Amino acid sequence: NAGVTQTPKFRVLKTGQSMTLLCAQDMNHEYMYWYRQDPGMGLRLIHYSVGEGTTAKGEVPDGYNVSRLKKQNFLLGLESAAPSQTSVYFCASSYRALRGGEQFFGPGTRLTVL
Amino acid sequence: GQQLNQSPQSMFIQEGEDVSMNCTSSSIFNTWLWYKQDPGEGPVLLIALYKAGELTSNGRLTAQFGITRKDSFLNISASIPSDVGIYFCAGQGTGANNLFFGTGTRLTVIP
Repeated sequence: NAGVTQTPKFRVLKTGQSMTLLCAQDMNHEYMYWYRQDPGMGLRLIHYSVGEGTTAKGEVPDGYNVSRLKKQNFLLGLESAAPSQTSVYFCASSYRALRGGEQFFGPGTRLTVL
Repeated sequence: GQQLNQSPQSMFIQEGEDVSMNCTSSSIFNTWLWYKQDPGEGPVLLIALYKAGELTSNGRLTAQFGITRKDSFLNISASIPSDVGIYFCAGQGTGANNLFFGTGTRLTVIP
């Protein structure tokens, strides 16, 4: 099992460019999440999904869109990148949301927006 | 979002020493979690706590769920070089969007 994988690992964008980050999990988990990690701020939830075809906003959703067309994939899109979106992005998945629903994290994508 | 205050922000210790870090919140949580993040990797769950007052161990790690449900601490005994990394606390309420992370404690172990 690969667990949670993310592509790409690194990316540099210019302001205004768009890109999509791909997350894939092979654990048949229902729940998937996108976080961003900034220095001194821990991880903050951007969007999440409780199942195939569903998405919902997290704590910091502005400037991002997501899609969950297949249960194993969760895509994070930036339509018009801004320097404030320079961050490390982590995807996670879990069997369930509540007690016992441990979140498994991918290795992260380091994004720089110039 | 919820604000979890984690302290200390960083620690430099000698190999073999014990380590203690804690996390406090202004809100009550149903679950407290402790994660470790190695450089270039995502966080990995170390310990999960589900009940106020609960004390749980995982090898050299011990964590407690505060009785007020607003705090938790993590102890590492007899530190070794591979303990180096960033340790995050996280509090979980109800629902898929209710996991909030602390700001992390960066641990350096000097051989």
